Amino acid sequence: GEDVEQSLFLSVREGDSSVINCTYTDSSSTYLYWYKQEPGAGLQLLTYIFSNMDMKQDQRLTVLLNKKDKHLSLRIADTQTGDSAIYFCAETPPDATNKLIFGTGTLLAVQP
Amino acid sequence: GAGVSQTPSNKVTEKGKYVELRCDPISGHTALYWYRQSLGQGPEFLIYFQGTGAADDSGLPNDRFFAVRPEGSVSTLKIQRTERGDSAVYLCASSPGQVDDEQYFGPGTRLTVT
Repeated sequence: GEDVEQSLFLSVREGDSSVINCTYTDSSSTYLYWYKQEPGAGLQLLTYIFSNMDMKQDQRLTVLLNKKDKHLSLRIADTQTGDSAIYFCAETPPDATNKLIFGTGTLLAVQP
Repeated sequence: GAGVSQTPSNKVTEKGKYVELRCDPISGHTALYWYRQSLGQGPEFLIYFQGTGAADDSGLPNDRFFAVRPEGSVSTLKIQRTERGDSAVYLCASSPGQVDDEQYFGPGTRLTVT
């Protein structure tokens, strides 16, 4: 089955690191994604990781994948107030349609 | 260039009415997706088009929901006999059409059924 879960809320202070966690159940997913959603704006792809990788770093973003535990995390270094948003992890089941299965979303609040 | 656009941005309708939601994908994108996002939830897949045909409509909740893409560009999501539970933000995304291509999302249409 396909089910993606995230914690609902995370609050951090500006300049600290943020870690947003996600668990998924479909171990055959080929790609896992992190999207950002700001109020009044569309979903924005932040980064993604292929399922045969353990880690991917992209500027302030680090993605860690633990396939054994079906656990995905997004670390944001030096978190800024502009990072305040809802973050969704998502997976694509291996049926060649590329449809995205999203998690419930984590609201990140950055305190100045 | 222009991104994915959706109209209207907001739609309020009475229970039982029919509504149409429109999506204009990025020019040249052959793949088009519809998702529904209820309050406090992540987007939920509804239907996927490759060109003019619906390649996967497994996410449509029931036969009141229907979508078309007659010329392989603009798509319309149609909801008959709307119910209050249909209230949500309806998101459209497009991609160039290859497997694992990035999907580009529009701003969504907020549908409220009273």
